[in-house]
Amino acid sequence: ETGVTQTPRHLVMGMTNKKSLKCEQHLGHNAMYWYKQSAKKPLELMFVYSLEERVENNSVPSRFSPECPNSSHLFLHLHTLQPEDSALYLCASSQGRDYEQYFGPGTRLTVT
Amino acid sequence: AQTVTQSQPEMSVQEAETVTLSCTYDTSESDYYLFWYKQPPSRQMILVIRQEAYKQQNATENRFSVNFQKAAKSFSLKISDSQLGDAAMYFCAITRVGSNYKLTFGKGTLLTVNP
Repeated sequence: ETGVTQTPRHLVMGMTNKKSLKCEQHLGHNAMYWYKQSAKKPLELMFVYSLEERVENNSVPSRFSPECPNSSHLFLHLHTLQPEDSALYLCASSQGRDYEQYFGPGTRLTVT
Repeated sequence: AQTVTQSQPEMSVQEAETVTLSCTYDTSESDYYLFWYKQPPSRQMILVIRQEAYKQQNATENRFSVNFQKAAKSFSLKISDSQLGDAAMYFCAITRVGSNYKLTFGKGTLLTVNP
């Protein structure tokens, strides 16, 4: 695997389910990000981890819970989501601040 | 706060022709970076080009070049000799130097390339 990978690529879940999104970067970067991409809206930064510490939490509801066990892996745990949470969730990584971010292919999430 | 505006929701170009995508931004910072990202239908966002605000010379990357007008806060992307593979959503983005990782994106421009 190269670059940034995300699994699953597609996820359908009910409002009472609990699921997790996984991101892995193979670039040796030290920062990882979660973004939410909705139609007709700019990308919304959700969380940033640098050296496994959360450095940014952009007023995201508590039903989204990130986890960064090491510098290569990032998870987004989901529980009791709402239909408006349906979106494309993108993971990215970078070599520190100010550097360009490399994105994964995203997970298309549908909440029913 | 920083904002990015892409005034063209959709653009189209004939194969082999040149197209320019517009981007304007607002920031109170003097030191920042600007980016153009491309998101093809497969959804993987790819960096196209990067410009440091302190550099007067416009960045180029093969068929892609920018027209950076710092005073006007304008950062347009020119694609020369357009190819079918250039069809994608293009996003303009800005980050302040020392920004604590925040990258602000525009809403994007959907580019169609006609054969």
